[in-house]
Amino acid sequence: QQQVKQSPQSLIVQKGGISIINCAYENTAFDYFPWYQQFPGKGPALLIAIRPDVSEKKEGRFTISFNKSAKQFSLHIMDSQPGDSATYFCAAYQAGTALIFGKGTTLSVSS
Amino acid sequence: DTEVTQTPKHLVMGMTNKKSLKCEQHMGHRAMYWYKQKAKKPPELMFVYSYEKLSINESVPSRFSPECPNSSLLNLHLHALQPEDSALYLCASSQVSGVGANVLTFGAGSRLTVL
Repeated sequence: QQQVKQSPQSLIVQKGGISIINCAYENTAFDYFPWYQQFPGKGPALLIAIRPDVSEKKEGRFTISFNKSAKQFSLHIMDSQPGDSATYFCAAYQAGTALIFGKGTTLSVSS
Repeated sequence: DTEVTQTPKHLVMGMTNKKSLKCEQHMGHRAMYWYKQKAKKPPELMFVYSYEKLSINESVPSRFSPECPNSSLLNLHLHALQPEDSALYLCASSQVSGVGANVLTFGAGSRLTVL
């Protein structure tokens, strides 16, 4: 089974702090790496995504860092806010197959 | 319209009941998906339809029966379910190919409880 390993399982960050969630993969054929954000009672929503030819992508307070040689990628949330409290899933995709999700990280931002 | 609409939001059924979950999208996506999500777990793929044809069935028990009547609608028919089937059932859609093939838009889900 192809896997995407995500850590930590849960994370508590102070308001204004930086939240960092890490993911690692084995399959070098993956060519798209999205992050999904899920609030309680809602479906996952695409937050930000990156392709392996780029080392970093930033959208507002959210940044993906990608290390192709290490087969790792991470999500950084700058200036974390209570409204960012949610479950975050990293994922990986290979053309012709289905999205593979990490196990998820529950983020709590305390005010 | 950038939404995937799922009905009902909540469903309680007995093990002998027959019910259906419905999903609708009007984004012109020709790939539609059913996922099952247990609490504090990632979504688990169940079925994928591509151009209204079943393309992936992840060894799902036959008590779950998907149907794609047209390019906008996806149903999941439920029969003789077990209590362990209680979960959030998510519908998603995407383009079939090209840059949008890996961008899934999810609905809010149908929360199913089997008594």
